[in-house]
Amino acid sequence: DAGVIQSPRHEVTEMGQEVTLRCKPISGHNSLFWYRQTMMRGLELLIYFNNNVPIDDSGMPEDRFSAKMPNASFSTLKIQPSEPRDSAVYFCASSFRSSGGETQYFGPGTRLLVL
Amino acid sequence: DAKTTQPNSMESNEEEPVHLPCNHSTISGTDYIHWYRQLPSQGPEYVIHGLTSNVNNRMASLAIAEDRKSSTLILHRATLRDAAVYYCIRLFMDSNYQLIWGAGTKLIIKP
Repeated sequence: DAGVIQSPRHEVTEMGQEVTLRCKPISGHNSLFWYRQTMMRGLELLIYFNNNVPIDDSGMPEDRFSAKMPNASFSTLKIQPSEPRDSAVYFCASSFRSSGGETQYFGPGTRLLVL
Repeated sequence: DAKTTQPNSMESNEEEPVHLPCNHSTISGTDYIHWYRQLPSQGPEYVIHGLTSNVNNRMASLAIAEDRKSSTLILHRATLRDAAVYYCIRLFMDSNYQLIWGAGTKLIIKP
């Protein structure tokens, strides 16, 4: 298995531009998570999906952020317009949710720098 | 508070056992304890998890206190590749199933 795939791995953009991050979860997993990590705030959960349905988006910073999961094998996180404070590493993770707990598998992350 | 309490950092010598403590005094009866670690410039990776009993796998052992208010991750023979930030996390077995991430413990391995 290739694991969780994220693209791009690195993104440099200018303030005000739209940024789209992509994630392909592990086949067969039914939950997908988007996290953001910064030195100041650590690892923060932005949103998670279960069976392609957004369950909790309370971590999404503001309306500039949006996430979609059109099918079980693809998700996007979009920032429009981007701001310098959005600079961070964004991780996507997937898991198979069951009653006995779960293991989240993380992708390599997308390093975003907004100038 | 939903987050666990861990020391900010710990040091250990290579090839010696490492005991990483975690306090989760407000844990409820159905919450699992999960441990993840994050190697430099990588995403977090799962290490081990448990509910009440001690658990072992190829990476580590997890010792859970009888009252479940604390746990210890044990690396039996640390190597330089084990240098990472180790996160102890409660998994809330409610409808949200969220992992609440703290700051973790930065483990430094000395050769």
